[in-house]
Amino acid sequence: GQSLEQPSEVTAVEGAIVQINCTYQTSGFYGLSWYQQHDGGAPTFLSYNALDGLEETGRFSSFLSRSDSYGYLLLQELQMKDSASYFCAVASGGSYIPTFGRGTSLIVHP
Amino acid sequence: SQTIHQWPATLVQPVGSPLSLECTVEGTSNPNLYWYRQAAGRGLQLLFYSVGIGQISSEVPQNLSASRPQDRQFILSSKKLLLSDSGFYLCAWQLPGQGSNEQFFGPGTRLTVL
Repeated sequence: GQSLEQPSEVTAVEGAIVQINCTYQTSGFYGLSWYQQHDGGAPTFLSYNALDGLEETGRFSSFLSRSDSYGYLLLQELQMKDSASYFCAVASGGSYIPTFGRGTSLIVHP
Repeated sequence: SQTIHQWPATLVQPVGSPLSLECTVEGTSNPNLYWYRQAAGRGLQLLFYSVGIGQISSEVPQNLSASRPQDRQFILSSKKLLLSDSGFYLCAWQLPGQGSNEQFFGPGTRLTVL
């Protein structure tokens, strides 16, 4: 089976940098994705890492270490609108069907 | 451009009543389609996925069923709802074999079973 672990909640202040970690256990790993979900809304895709290293997209970056079965999402210059839940998801086992973690609630304070 | 529709947006149903939620996708062909359920403050639980018309895979045994009568239509059904069926139901599509693993989600249906 597959399992993912991420913190349930992270708090930070506006303008700061925050890192949300994700560790996973799976076989036949393809890649790690990150999604953002605001309260009452649908998840939206943020990033995908199939290879080791850092992928940067504006204020958001995502990192993967396949040997450590670990990744993180880095959010810089935090804004109030970044308050949301963030989910990591792994695709593995012969398909691209992602398995989602339980999500991390990010609370940004002024 | 691709869009995904779900309806209704909210639904309140009594225990034991039937359910039918519909999802349609526009602007793409032969997508993989998915139904997820999300309990309050929880992650996404995959219920069903489909790689083509009439092809349904069930991930969790329950009193729900899914059908894909057309390429871009995915329906979630139940004959008799349970209290535990309450939740936020999300439909998603994905290009087959897509390397980026990106899924596109519909707006969701919030179901309350009383």
